[in-house]
Amino acid sequence: DGGITQSPKYLFRKEGQNVTLSCEQNLNHDAMYWYRQDPGQGLRLIYYSQIVNDFQKGDIAEGYSVSREKKESFPLTVTSAQKNPTAFYLCASKDGTQPQHFGDGTRLSIL
Amino acid sequence: EDQVTQSPEALRLQEGESSSLNCSYTVSGLRGLFWYRQDPGKGPEFLFTLYSAGEEKEKERLKATLTKKESFLHITAPKPEDSATYLCAVCPNDYKLSFGAGTTVTVRA
Repeated sequence: DGGITQSPKYLFRKEGQNVTLSCEQNLNHDAMYWYRQDPGQGLRLIYYSQIVNDFQKGDIAEGYSVSREKKESFPLTVTSAQKNPTAFYLCASKDGTQPQHFGDGTRLSIL
Repeated sequence: EDQVTQSPEALRLQEGESSSLNCSYTVSGLRGLFWYRQDPGKGPEFLFTLYSAGEEKEKERLKATLTKKESFLHITAPKPEDSATYLCAVCPNDYKLSFGAGTTVTVRA
């Protein structure tokens, strides 16, 4: 079945540590997105990529980095510069004008 | 700046008690309004896309409508399995979605 796989489901970060969240899709979608979800707030866009080897900052990119070396993969690194990283992270992809499809998220917490 | 406001924040219903959720928006140019359903610990699941005022879409007990300033999601005779958070998002261009904070619906048997 086609879909978006995010891993791990739960992740813990120590002080000063960088962590990487994985997002893989087998839908052959060109565009991929990373969102952050906090309680009581809407999803906020961190980064997006419309094509391989290209990506743009979203509304809250500070403290995060991404790469898009392959069409099916769009990993997100939460760096030590992100001072409030505890949140639910969602990856999405889409094809053309179709709606975005989401993975089941990674919950990141601070140790 | 695009803004999406959903109300109420939470809604508690008895099974069979119909109700409506509101999504009001301000956007420079609307290319689509989207409704998603999100279960706890899961990613949002796509429900509907609406493109122009007057448009309506239906799926089982859910019906979405759109005006120039807001959208409604009507839940008719809800069942406990309709309990979820419902998210509204607007698309001002081809790549970006702006989301509301969601309405959490709880349906009691």
